[in-house]
Amino acid sequence: DTAVSQTPKYLVTQMGNDKSIKCEQNLGHDTMYWYKQDSKKFLKIMFSYNNKELIINETVPNRFSPKSPDKAHLNLHINSLELGDSAVYFCASSQGLGVGTYEQYFGPGTRLTVT
Amino acid sequence: SQQGEEDPQALSIQEGENATMNCSYKTSINNLQWYRQNSGRGLVHLILIRSNEREKHSGRLRVTLDTSKKSSSLLITASRAADTASYFCATALDTGRRALTFGSGTRLQVQP
Repeated sequence: DTAVSQTPKYLVTQMGNDKSIKCEQNLGHDTMYWYKQDSKKFLKIMFSYNNKELIINETVPNRFSPKSPDKAHLNLHINSLELGDSAVYFCASSQGLGVGTYEQYFGPGTRLTVT
Repeated sequence: SQQGEEDPQALSIQEGENATMNCSYKTSINNLQWYRQNSGRGLVHLILIRSNEREKHSGRLRVTLDTSKKSSSLLITASRAADTASYFCATALDTGRRALTFGSGTRLQVQP
């Protein structure tokens, strides 16, 4: 069984479009995250949620809006896509908020290409 | 510059050799984690070492932490072709910031 799943795996779209990436975890974890990995493999936190409550919102453009309908799901909606949004987006989850106390489980990633 | 920086950026060795990767960080931490990322995949947690620990082992992995030098190393012994991946260190700062900070990774290539 997949622990953290993301859909879609690949997403190719044009500038200006709106798209969503879905994430689900079946580990019973309380905390979920969205990361962005750029072309140089640098991984940066975007958002984290704990029990559906937003905990971290890094300096991410307002065009990015996370939504957590329940603690097993954390979706990412992106409005007005730009070329610079092209990257691999990873969802992750952990048992709790204790950063570093709990290991994080990552999804397989969604490769977003904006043309 | 990044909180965590791995060194070297890339490493190529023969199967059976040991691989050592280093991570340096700038600010005080609660603990440090190492992750592996196979090409086209998500990250997989390898090991967590707390700030009051100096060394930790897990199978063929050995991690050391020197808080006075703000550095950590990951040693993979008797490497295998399947160890080919990128390896990242991630730090949990002691500032209360509730996020891991990842380095840019070391790309390890193990030649069969």
